[in-house]
Amino acid sequence: GESVGLHLPTLSVQEGDNSIINCAYSNSASDYFIWYKQESGKGPQFIIDIRSNMDKRQGQRVTVLLNKTVKHLSLQIAATQPGDSAVYFCAENRGAGNMLTFGGGTRLMVKP
Amino acid sequence: NAGVTQTPKFQVLKTGQSMTLQCAQDMNHNSMYWYRQDPGMGLRLIYYSASEGTTDKGEVPNGYNVSRLNKREFSLRLESAAPSQTSVYFCASSEGLSTGDEQYFGPGTRLTVT
Repeated sequence: GESVGLHLPTLSVQEGDNSIINCAYSNSASDYFIWYKQESGKGPQFIIDIRSNMDKRQGQRVTVLLNKTVKHLSLQIAATQPGDSAVYFCAENRGAGNMLTFGGGTRLMVKP
Repeated sequence: NAGVTQTPKFQVLKTGQSMTLQCAQDMNHNSMYWYRQDPGMGLRLIYYSASEGTTDKGEVPNGYNVSRLNKREFSLRLESAAPSQTSVYFCASSEGLSTGDEQYFGPGTRLTVT
């Protein structure tokens, strides 16, 4: 069935480097996308979102890029810090209220 | 503000036992949700409540019941627990069901069914 998925289950980066986490989606009806951060033992925390009428959105040290042509979403984290170590999930809204479908997650490990 | 709180944090059940997971939010949100998260997977929606007095099935409702006790509280009940229900359960709330209404998550309940 249609689903949101991720290319890499684990990403290891050096502190200070930029990180890029990728996500593929297959439902062309999806109109809203969110990135969540989940630290060990905690619930997911909202990072940044983007609507389908945009292709880029920037936050503090984070940027989300949306490529609707190839149904691809990415999260870029600038100057990655140890506190960024967590599992990152993308989620999509398929146009039905506020119902979200989550991808499987990518673990980001930051090496000091 | 505590945000979204869940009790208990951990629970071990034997197959066939029943239990209720509690969730409360203090943000005056209208909508609440229950998700489960299996190892190495994303969250899947079990049930949600658009507003006080209403509940609807999500993606994986079988084996669960919910109650929206009042605007603050949304409970999840397992009537006869099965090993397949071993998971981490997250409650969330949002202002409403409009696209873009941010969902705030609780810390989760880790449930093991033996």
